[in-house]
Amino acid sequence: KQEVTQIPAALSVPEGENLVLNCSFTDSAIYNLQWFRQDPGKGLTSLLLIQSSQREQTSGRLNASLDKSSGRSTLYIAASQPGDSATYLCAVDNYGQNFVFGPGTRLSVLP
Amino acid sequence: EADIYQTPRYLVIGTGKKITLECSQTMGHDKMYWYQQDPGMELHLIHYSYGVNSTEKGDLSSESTVSRIRTEHFPLTLESARPSHTSQYLCASNFAGNTGELFFGEGSRLTVL
Repeated sequence: KQEVTQIPAALSVPEGENLVLNCSFTDSAIYNLQWFRQDPGKGLTSLLLIQSSQREQTSGRLNASLDKSSGRSTLYIAASQPGDSATYLCAVDNYGQNFVFGPGTRLSVLP
Repeated sequence: EADIYQTPRYLVIGTGKKITLECSQTMGHDKMYWYQQDPGMELHLIHYSYGVNSTEKGDLSSESTVSRIRTEHFPLTLESARPSHTSQYLCASNFAGNTGELFFGEGSRLTVL
């Protein structure tokens, strides 16, 4: 059964720092991996989708990489801003199963 | 841009009432999902659908029921609400397969007194 973990569970950084969030999964038989952002009391907003055949995706200050063989993905956020404060979740879409979500990383960017 | 809508956004009701949470998407997605999430906690899949007339139970047991009569519509119903049903309910949808980006609605926050 697929398991997804995220490290760290929480992170607090000063504004302007570059940071990396980590996601690990146990079963490499995936269609894709997706990163989301969730603000308190809201739904999830899709940030980046990486298909299983891809190595990385970029959107603005965000860059996500995927190493399927080692079961790892990273989300790189450049020049962090207070508006980036949120919980970031990764999820994998498995063959024959539904999405499995990680527990999330709670990010605080201090002004 | 996600085109998936949930109503109501907030609902406070008394024990024993029947409620229906609505979810609609205009993207033509075949798969739709309902997740339950308590504040600060993980998402739990409670129902999903592969398409019209398809409904399946998720990983977390739930007393709610769902229906999928139209592709774009996936309502969730609680026949008799209880305080233990107090939670946030999130609807999502996508196309099946490796390009199936998952989109979420804004959520319905239910409080049962």
